[in-house]
Amino acid sequence: DQQVKQNSPSLSVQEGRISILNCDYTNSMFDYFLWYKKYPAEGPTFLISISSIKDKNEDGRFTVFLNKSAKHLSLHIVPSQPGDSAVYFCAASAPPGYALNFGKGTSLLVTP
Amino acid sequence: DGGITQSPKYLFRKEGQNVTLSCEQNLNHDAMYWYRQDPGQGLRLIYYSQIVNDFQKGDIAEGYSVSREKKESFPLTVTSAQKNPTAFYLCASRPRQAAAGYTFGSGTRLTVV
Repeated sequence: DQQVKQNSPSLSVQEGRISILNCDYTNSMFDYFLWYKKYPAEGPTFLISISSIKDKNEDGRFTVFLNKSAKHLSLHIVPSQPGDSAVYFCAASAPPGYALNFGKGTSLLVTP
Repeated sequence: DGGITQSPKYLFRKEGQNVTLSCEQNLNHDAMYWYRQDPGQGLRLIYYSQIVNDFQKGDIAEGYSVSREKKESFPLTVTSAQKNPTAFYLCASRPRQAAAGYTFGSGTRLTVV
């Protein structure tokens, strides 16, 4: 049963505009949420994380928003750049093992 | 430089054979994890270990086995019981005190021929 869902398989955005990637989860025990960028046949690259005690975390062009009541988080990329084109995975973890539960990913294409 | 090393990068296996994927880390991380990725899918958890000589099954452990005899090493054996072993396998590690501090390896692509 998929506990982390990314309902948009793909997203296309123009360079310079905002990219918004969404993620929903079902397990209320999750207390850490992470976003990864990934290319085929490579390991994921960590982008940004947020703990459940916060509702926003910002790092450069990347901002993650967490809405615990809606069990929803989103990643905002502003401004989007062509180099941001990749598959983005949302992941969540809970104690005791903090194993990551991944969504199926959203493929972002940033066009010039 | 600290990191995780997965070897080999590409691996071919004949049907009915067991094969072991290597994962070594020099980060002094306590927890280690194995994930599998199939096309169009997210990463799914196979096994994880929080300390030496202890490990737990993940969501798709059937047909796989692991060992954790040393802190640095967490090898994954894909057995002949795994019905669909062709996939991309990723190893990760995490320090005990950092719930979000994952480091991933570069992966092993396993193909059954």
